[in-house]
Amino acid sequence: DTAVSQTPKYLVTQMGNDKSIKCEQNLGHDTMYWYKQDSKKFLKIMFSYNNKELIINETVPNRFSPKSPDKAHLNLHINSLELGDSAVYFCASSLRGRSTDTQYFGPGTRLTVL
Amino acid sequence: QQQVKQSPQSLIVQKGGISIINCAYENTAFDYFPWYQQFPGKGPALLIAIRPDVSEKKEGRFTISFNKSAKQFSLHIMDSQPGDSATYFCAARERGSSNTGKLIFGQGTTLQVKP
Repeated sequence: DTAVSQTPKYLVTQMGNDKSIKCEQNLGHDTMYWYKQDSKKFLKIMFSYNNKELIINETVPNRFSPKSPDKAHLNLHINSLELGDSAVYFCASSLRGRSTDTQYFGPGTRLTVL
Repeated sequence: QQQVKQSPQSLIVQKGGISIINCAYENTAFDYFPWYQQFPGKGPALLIAIRPDVSEKKEGRFTISFNKSAKQFSLHIMDSQPGDSATYFCAARERGSSNTGKLIFGQGTTLQVKP
């Protein structure tokens, strides 16, 4: 009964490669997010989609491209991977418009770029 | 520029003691302040949250104290248990014109509760 799931859990790849991370939520939420957690555990928002519309786009290199085929899915494609992209990437979802706007996080994808 | 500053970076508490984590913010447009708990290898999970019109919120052993004038809020964990050992993040929601509900996180505090 996983609420927010991500695949893969681990991703090890070489510099210069292109990779994708997939996220799915079964909570009926309309908003999904991508966060990056660095080696110091700092969490930073990257992107957010509401009903397949991009609503947050932080200063992220354009090598990162999110895609939301529907409300329940948000994928992250990364081109030309660099060493500095190594981090844990978390997907999250919420129901927009609620006063509390609780975000539910997935288990994370640990990306290692060699 | 760190909009939400969290301290301490790490904390060691004896079982049964009180754990206190502090956060400070600058942006008066923040309107919602959640705390998230993250265990190793897991995603963050909402622990407790408060809105700025309330000075304190308690849920079980966890209490948020909020000081609007000082722009500070803190998490108190009473009777700390080894199972509370985790990383704790304060956060603040930015309510801008686009109404995105964007969360800005503090740097995190790693709590270790010793048996």
